[in-house]
Amino acid sequence: NAGVTQTPKFQVLKTGQSMTLQCAQDMNHEYMSWYRQDPGMGLRLIHYSVGAGITDQGEVPNGYNVSRSTTEDFPLRLLSAAPSQTSVYFCASSYTPGERIQYFGAGTRLSVL
Amino acid sequence: DAKTTQPNSMESNEEEPVHLPCNHSTISGTDYIHWYRQLPSQGPEYVIHGLTSNVNNRMASLAIAEDRKSSTLILHRATLRDAAVYYCILSNSGGYQKVTFGIGTKLQVIP
Repeated sequence: NAGVTQTPKFQVLKTGQSMTLQCAQDMNHEYMSWYRQDPGMGLRLIHYSVGAGITDQGEVPNGYNVSRSTTEDFPLRLLSAAPSQTSVYFCASSYTPGERIQYFGAGTRLSVL
Repeated sequence: DAKTTQPNSMESNEEEPVHLPCNHSTISGTDYIHWYRQLPSQGPEYVIHGLTSNVNNRMASLAIAEDRKSSTLILHRATLRDAAVYYCILSNSGGYQKVTFGIGTKLQVIP
């Protein structure tokens, strides 16, 4: 059981480049979400999805797009990377939105130069 | 949305109990109290959660004040592997959509 898998683990981008952070879970979880973690800021919710075809914005959605075409995958797209998006990104999932336990991936460390 | 307040850091000696406090004075009746921890260079992992009653599991115990305005995560016997950042968060019946992870408490375990 792989749990929540994030790829890549590390990425360096130049300002203006686009890329997609991948997140996959094999637990048949309905709820998936993306967070970013910056030093001294805790984790902030970017986008979330309560099921295939349904997404919504979190606390800091600007500059990011998401889609949920399957239950398993929830990719996060950076449209035009900016240095302010340098951060560690975590994907998480839970069986339902109201489930009390979230499972997190190992994170993607992104640097935008 | 209800928020939590935790000390920025705490120290504990190895093999001694650790009590990590959390204040949540604006908690609502339907808010669950959760604790997660984050080991260095890893994603957060679930520790325990509760609503009104104290809870125990293999990792820790959660003591909830009678008025629910505060709670305490208890690690019964700290090990070096327990050195991590511990987050106290609240979620309502709707789930994690409005959850805020603050900066948590960084626990240092001294050998």
